[in-house]
Amino acid sequence: DGGITQSPKYLFRKEGQNVTLSCEQNLNHDAMYWYRQDPGQGLRLIYYSQIVNDFQKGDIAEGYSVSREKKESFPLTVTSAQKNPTAFYLCASRTTGTGNTIYFGEGSWLTVV
Amino acid sequence: QQQVKQSPQSLIVQKGGISIINCAYENTAFDYFPWYQQFPGKGPALLIAIRPDVSEKKEGRFTISFNKSAKQFSLHIMDSQPGDSATYFCAASKGGDSWGKLQFGAGTQVVVTP
Repeated sequence: DGGITQSPKYLFRKEGQNVTLSCEQNLNHDAMYWYRQDPGQGLRLIYYSQIVNDFQKGDIAEGYSVSREKKESFPLTVTSAQKNPTAFYLCASRTTGTGNTIYFGEGSWLTVV
Repeated sequence: QQQVKQSPQSLIVQKGGISIINCAYENTAFDYFPWYQQFPGKGPALLIAIRPDVSEKKEGRFTISFNKSAKQFSLHIMDSQPGDSATYFCAASKGGDSWGKLQFGAGTQVVVTP
């Protein structure tokens, strides 16, 4: 099946720890995105990448880092500098050039304990 | 500062009724206006989308109405069904390489009663 796989689905982190969320897509999409969703709010863009080895900050990048070493993978690290990391994190991808549908993964719940 | 404002926050509609959700935006550079449907614990799924050169787009029971001069767009769900109970998000983005940089509304929780 083609799609976007996020893991883990649920993650608990102690304060002061970094945690990395995985996002893998087999859609052969060029562009990938990370969004954050808080209860009762819309999604907000954290980081995005249009091509391998290149990425840009979104609206709320502080306290997060990413890498894009492979076309199919775009992991997100939530660092200890992120002051309020508890949220639902969504990875998305889009093919560039012919169409603009953005596909989302199933999301990862991060809770700081 | 939210660039896309969505209302209402929630609505309850009877089966067979019409659900209407409204969104407004300020940035005239926005060129793409999608609506997403999200079920609890799942990622959003694209429902329908419109470009500003079209005033209305219909796909099955879902219709987007777009008013460029008023900078408003709305989603109409006709003949609402219990399976339509979900949270709906409007969004907007600029064109070109900014397609995926979506600005989302806060969402509308729709409950369709049997």
